[in-house]
Amino acid sequence: DGGITQSPKYLFRKEGQNVTLSCEQNLNHDAMYWYRQDPGQGLRLIYYSQIVNDFQKGDIAEGYSVSREKKESFPLTVTSAQKNPTAFYLCASSPGRLLDTQYFGPGTRLTVL
Amino acid sequence: AQSVTQLDSQVPVFEEAPVELRCNYSSSVSVYLFWYVQYPNQGLQLLLKYLSGSTLVKGINGFEAEFNKSQTSFHLRKPSVHISDTAEYFCAVSDQSSASKIIFGSGTRLSIRP
Repeated sequence: DGGITQSPKYLFRKEGQNVTLSCEQNLNHDAMYWYRQDPGQGLRLIYYSQIVNDFQKGDIAEGYSVSREKKESFPLTVTSAQKNPTAFYLCASSPGRLLDTQYFGPGTRLTVL
Repeated sequence: AQSVTQLDSQVPVFEEAPVELRCNYSSSVSVYLFWYVQYPNQGLQLLLKYLSGSTLVKGINGFEAEFNKSQTSFHLRKPSVHISDTAEYFCAVSDQSSASKIIFGSGTRLSIRP
């Protein structure tokens, strides 16, 4: 089955630790995105990548980093510089252009203790 | 800059009743509009999108939305809801000149009562 996988589904970390969230897609999509979802705030764009080895900051990139070494993978690292990292993180991909539908993964819920 | 406002954070309705979820946007340029649905603890799924052409857009699961340029609205409707429609619904907008970003609204939680 084609789709987007995110792992793990739930993640707990101690304050001050970096943590990397995985996102893999087998849809052969060029573009990939990371969003953060907080209650009552909808989705906010963290980073996006339209092609391998290239990515751009979204609206709330501070405290996060990404890489795009392979077309199918777009891992997100939440660094200790992120002031309030506890949230639901969603990865998405699309064939290429913005008008293309974005396909979302099931999400990772990160809790920092 | 664009923005999206979903006027209702929660909408309770009885099963088989009609429902309308409101969405207004602001943008100085022409836009594309989307509605996504999120079931509990899952990612988002596209319900429908308006790119151009007919202002009445039909989507999956019996939903439809109407683009009203003069009122800058894109309200989502369903004539008869089912328990399985219980979810959070997100309106989103992107401007036609952008190749990168969609702006999401804050979401409307639809709860269906039997």
